[in-house]
Amino acid sequence: QVQLVQSGAEVKKPGASVKVSCKASGYTFTGYYMHWVRQAPGQGLEWMGWINPNSGGTNYAQKFQGWVTMTRDTSISTAYMELSRLRSDDTAVYYCARDLRAGANWFDPWGQGTLVTVSS
Amino acid sequence: DIQMTQSPSSVSASVGDRVTITCRASQGISSWLAWYQQKPGKAPKLLIYAASSLQSGVPSRFSGSGSGTDFTLTISSLQPEDFATYYCQQANSFSLTFGGGTKVEIK
Repeated sequence: QVQLVQSGAEVKKPGASVKVSCKASGYTFTGYYMHWVRQAPGQGLEWMGWINPNSGGTNYAQKFQGWVTMTRDTSISTAYMELSRLRSDDTAVYYCARDLRAGANWFDPWGQGTLVTVSS
Repeated sequence: DIQMTQSPSSVSASVGDRVTITCRASQGISSWLAWYQQKPGKAPKLLIYAASSLQSGVPSRFSGSGSGTDFTLTISSLQPEDFATYYCQQANSFSLTFGGGTKVEIK
């Protein structure tokens, strides 16, 4: 079955960077865009951007441009999201989510989430 | 960015009730709208896409309607497992956005 498995929880200091991985299985990794969505504690969902695993092309939400980097390694069917210059308000659960269908921008399935805590 | 406004922000209902949640887009998005359900500590789950298409495996008591700027998610007969937070999401623009969420609570 289609599955996305994310890396484990991280604790980072302000100003540091974090890199979260998302390993895909059960489908052709290069056939579907991968999105990243975050959720601060008790808050709603915030879309961060997508990566096209086939070409490596990316589209970042304006808020995250210059601050987030999405990459992939097709040899191991894994997508990555790196966020730099972390602040305390970047504390959130970060999810990867696949396009339901190629280019549809509906998210299904989702990874289990990775909690990133930013604290001094 | 297209802003998505959900109402109400929370609703109290009983098992068996009909529940309706609305989502309004700041500009027309045709039918480029999805609905998700999220339970505490879990990832969101896709319920409806393209405004009214039921995702595979989702019970038929869930339905979606609308186009342009106004959309509705209806749960025809609320079940115990439906108490959760629901989000709408637009996919019309290059920058995707979610609504603020509607929490469905037990009355």
